[in-house]
Amino acid sequence: AQTVTQSQPEMSVQEAETVTLSCTYDTSESDYYLFWYKQPPSRQMILVIRQEAYKQQNATENRFSVNFQKAAKSFSLKISDSQLGDAAMYFCAYRSARDEKLTFGTGTRLTIIP
Amino acid sequence: NAGVTQTPKFQVLKTGQSMTLQCAQDMNHEYMSWYRQDPGMGLRLIHYSVGAGITDQGEVPNGYNVSRSTTEDFPLRLLSAAPSQTSVYFCASSYETGDGYTFGSGTRLTVV
Repeated sequence: AQTVTQSQPEMSVQEAETVTLSCTYDTSESDYYLFWYKQPPSRQMILVIRQEAYKQQNATENRFSVNFQKAAKSFSLKISDSQLGDAAMYFCAYRSARDEKLTFGTGTRLTIIP
Repeated sequence: NAGVTQTPKFQVLKTGQSMTLQCAQDMNHEYMSWYRQDPGMGLRLIHYSVGAGITDQGEVPNGYNVSRSTTEDFPLRLLSAAPSQTSVYFCASSYETGDGYTFGSGTRLTVV
């Protein structure tokens, strides 16, 4: 079974600075997808960014980018120019192409310091 | 286009009671899933479905039943509620392989 590990329960960053959230995963599959989800206090789960395992190019969405290291099974999220609205729980997730299950890490709570 | 709709948003049950959490999506998504979220444990998969008439167990299926008679609906049934089932429940759906799942707004369930 696949596992997703987020080793930083909490992180904080000054407004306008850059922060990186870590995620590692364990799998024997070669075809899969990786995601970062944001959960603000409203409880809504919001998809931030998506990465296909067979693509070497790192995904980017505006201020959000990932560092995908397939051999190391690492998938970190970088948030540039942090804003107060970025404060939330962030979850890393793995989707198997074989059985479609989406497996989550335990999350990182990000605090933005004004 | 309402997305993924979950009802109710809040529910209090007594131990031993049964209930159904409703989930509906209007995006013609084939894949649907139910998760529970507990503090410090992320979201854990309860049951999922890859299409109408097809369901399978996830990581924590005990005490829950599902069925998928239509593409749109994927209800989650608690057979005999226990305090350990106190949690926030999310339903999610996805169009095709590799897509991110779209989540409903969640149901906060308390079992007393």
